[in-house]
Order: sequence, then structure tokens, then C-alpha cells
Amino acid sequence: DQQVKQNSPSLSVQEGRISILNCDYTNSMFDYFLWYKKYPAEGPTFLISISSIKDKNEDGRFTVFLNKSAKHLSLHIVPSQPGDSAVYFCAARPLNRDDKIIFGKGTRLHILP
Amino acid sequence: GAGVSQSPRYKVAKRGQDVALRCDPISGHVSLFWYQQALGQGPEFLTYFQNEAQLDKSGLPSDRFFAERPEGSVSTLKIQRTQQEDSAVYLCASSTDWGTTQFFGPGTRLTVL
Repeated sequence: DQQVKQNSPSLSVQEGRISILNCDYTNSMFDYFLWYKKYPAEGPTFLISISSIKDKNEDGRFTVFLNKSAKHLSLHIVPSQPGDSAVYFCAARPLNRDDKIIFGKGTRLHILP
Repeated sequence: GAGVSQSPRYKVAKRGQDVALRCDPISGHVSLFWYQQALGQGPEFLTYFQNEAQLDKSGLPSDRFFAERPEGSVSTLKIQRTQQEDSAVYLCASSTDWGTTQFFGPGTRLTVL
């Protein structure tokens, strides 16, 4: 039973355009959300996060939006660059738990030249 | 090095063999996590240490899995009598304290024949 869902296994975007990666969650006890980026043969790398008290967090080309009522978050990358080609994992942390992170299955992003 | 390191990077085991996977967290990091990532899936939580104390082992799939961190630094994940379903990438992550960003190592890819 997936608590964090990334329904698009892959996404292709033209270089320079906006990449939008989506994530849905089912557990209303999640209070902190994260995006990780993973290259082949490497571990996931933290990208950006958002607390449940906010609806937007921006860091350079990366912006995460949170819609609590819809239990939905999205990661926007603009402009997309070739180095952004990777697998992106959406993750969530439950309130008052031992720091456990629940990951989605990931979305593979291909940036096309 | 400055990051989380794991060894070996690749391990091939015959079914029934015992294996030991090592994690060297970032120096000074209090919290240490183990995750299992099956092919095509996101990382799934196995267990969590704060210093030498194992605070959560709810994700360990069976009693064949055992983790330790005796001196609050290096950790070892041991799998006894390996089965084919144990084949996965085992990721270790560390963080400075509860609620802070987890930094991942490159993982150990375990293949059980």
C-alpha cells in the first residue's frame, strides 16, 4: 500500500523548458516533504524540501509546491538542463516519528537536447 | 572522504550464504539509517540508529536481517541465509540529528544467486 505515489514512471522534457514532477500522498500525518535526485550507481541526493505549514519553497531553478487539501505536491524545474536527467524521488516524513522517510517509486526525467 | 561511504559496492552471494554490508557515516552524524531499494522501487526504510541505540527496526523484513552500530559510528547490516528476494541495493544514510537532512551513500548492490 503505497503512501507516497509517483504515477509517472518517466517524463521527457525539452532542454530549456519547464519540468513538472508530480507526487500524491495518502497519509495526512505527513508533515514534511522532500525531493531527492538520483543518478545511476549513486545514492539519492537531497534536492529540496517543504514543511506542511508552507505551500511553496523555492531554491534557484527548483520550486516545490504543496497542496495539502489535495494531498499533492509537485517539483518544478525551470529551465531544465541536461544535468537534470536523473530519477527523482518524492518522499515524506510522518509527524513525530523516528525520522523515517517514506519514498515514492521515482520518476525518471529525460532532458532532450 | 566527506560523504557517506559503503562497502562493498557490489556483492554476489549464493543462496544461503551470510553477508555483511558496511556503512561509514559522515563524521559526527548522530543518526544512521538503512534502506532497501528493490529494482524499480523507491528506497524502503529498514532500521534507524541514534548513536549506538537502535531506535526503530520495524522495517527489517525478517529475523535474518540484523544491524548494529556498536560505537555509534560505523554500522553493519548483516543478512543471514540470504534468499533471492534479498537481492536489492542497500542504502545507508546519515544525518546530524533528528529531523535534519539525510545524506545517502552510494549503496551496496546485493545479488543473490
